[in-house]
Amino acid sequence: DTEVTQTPKHLVMGMTNKKSLKCEQHMGHRAMYWYKQKAKKPPELMFVYSYEKLSINESVPSRFSPECPNSSLLNLHLHALQPEDSALYLCASSQDYPQTYEQYFGPGTRLTVT
Amino acid sequence: AQSVTQLGSHVSVSEGALVLLRCNYSSSVPPYLFWYVQYPNQGLQLLLKYTTGATLVKGINGFEAEFKKSETSFHLTKPSAHMSDAAEYFCAVSNNQGGKLIFGQGTELSVKP
Repeated sequence: DTEVTQTPKHLVMGMTNKKSLKCEQHMGHRAMYWYKQKAKKPPELMFVYSYEKLSINESVPSRFSPECPNSSLLNLHLHALQPEDSALYLCASSQDYPQTYEQYFGPGTRLTVT
Repeated sequence: AQSVTQLGSHVSVSEGALVLLRCNYSSSVPPYLFWYVQYPNQGLQLLLKYTTGATLVKGINGFEAEFKKSETSFHLTKPSAHMSDAAEYFCAVSNNQGGKLIFGQGTELSVKP
């Protein structure tokens, strides 16, 4: 099973709301990632977790707060977002990090900030 | 530093024709190379990868790619396009010293009946 699941599929939130995105994988992978993707652009790395510890934060604004409760779950907490944060948010996992293994992506959460 | 250049942001082919999507990379260390496909409103799906060994790599859905070190290229090909191949294709590079993927800008493939 090479599936990464993400919920919700779509999310509309106001700039004062607090919401969370969830990602789950059951492949036994020890690395998990959050990416942001704008239309017609490649994914941009936001965060990397390795063995449930934050390894990389690509200078992401603090209104995005990642959390890795266990090796299978990854959350992204959202607060006071801006309209320019509207995008497709992709979660991915890989066998390990920083050693390079292929990353498996989830279907994404389409976020709209109003 | 590593980088990826995909030549052509949009490629259009007829159904049954050869698909050729171009990818050139820059890397100071031996690269790991990947092709991903993204269908509308979906995540990225790994098509194929090159790490070491055989330079001609076969992937899913009839796609293959050849690693050419002398040309710093990793072009994606498929002998006969299907309508279902219409999607966005991303080439990506990494290496055995760090797991970050560096993506190209993507190539949108259209398939005409």
